[in-house]
Amino acid sequence: DAKTTQPTSMDCAEGRAANLPCNHSTISGNEYVYWYRQIHSQGPQYIIHGLKNNETNEMASLIITEDRKSSTLILPHATLRDTAVYYCIVRRPAGGTSYGKLTFGQGTILTVHP
Amino acid sequence: KAGVTQTPRYLIKTRGQQVTLSCSPISGHRSVSWYQQTPGQGLQFLFEYFSETQRNKGNFPGRFSGRQFSNSRSEMNVSTLELGDSALYLCASSDQPGGANVLTFGAGSRLTVL
Repeated sequence: DAKTTQPTSMDCAEGRAANLPCNHSTISGNEYVYWYRQIHSQGPQYIIHGLKNNETNEMASLIITEDRKSSTLILPHATLRDTAVYYCIVRRPAGGTSYGKLTFGQGTILTVHP
Repeated sequence: KAGVTQTPRYLIKTRGQQVTLSCSPISGHRSVSWYQQTPGQGLQFLFEYFSETQRNKGNFPGRFSGRQFSNSRSEMNVSTLELGDSALYLCASSDQPGGANVLTFGAGSRLTVL
């Protein structure tokens, strides 16, 4: 699975959009980009994933560049409850020897301020 | 529907003892994977089971083992506990592997080894 690079920490004001970048310059053509977050002492929570196209769900939007070497997770209206560690993960489609394996990096600590 | 359930949530053991942790996946999910989270190493993949078979294994010593039952419930066991085994152990489940399956994590079992 390709390696990802994320900023160590970011701040955001409550109510504003939080834009979290992720670099994955060695991504392969069939690898997906996943985002998870972990609020202190809880299990990671799935946010969104995508392959080539931009994706949006009730939690966030995922913008993937045309060359797929980087992506941005957007939380449109951040709240205090969005304070968490955000993990960007690149992973091959499940199957073979990679069924349940996610390779987590250090993630980005997002702090949302009042 | 109910999420991923891990028991016990907290436990304290002493060096040399063994411990068994349990994970009940989301109903209908047949893939269960285990992760260890420590402050120093972050989230690391332990192993993954599907249909009672171990499909993938991380880089951990043989003291760490697991199994999956016919109802998809899984257990992991750590024998001859060491201080460094103190960690949050997380279980995740997913449905039929293939494509871009999403992992749903439990709240974790926090193990303290004294």
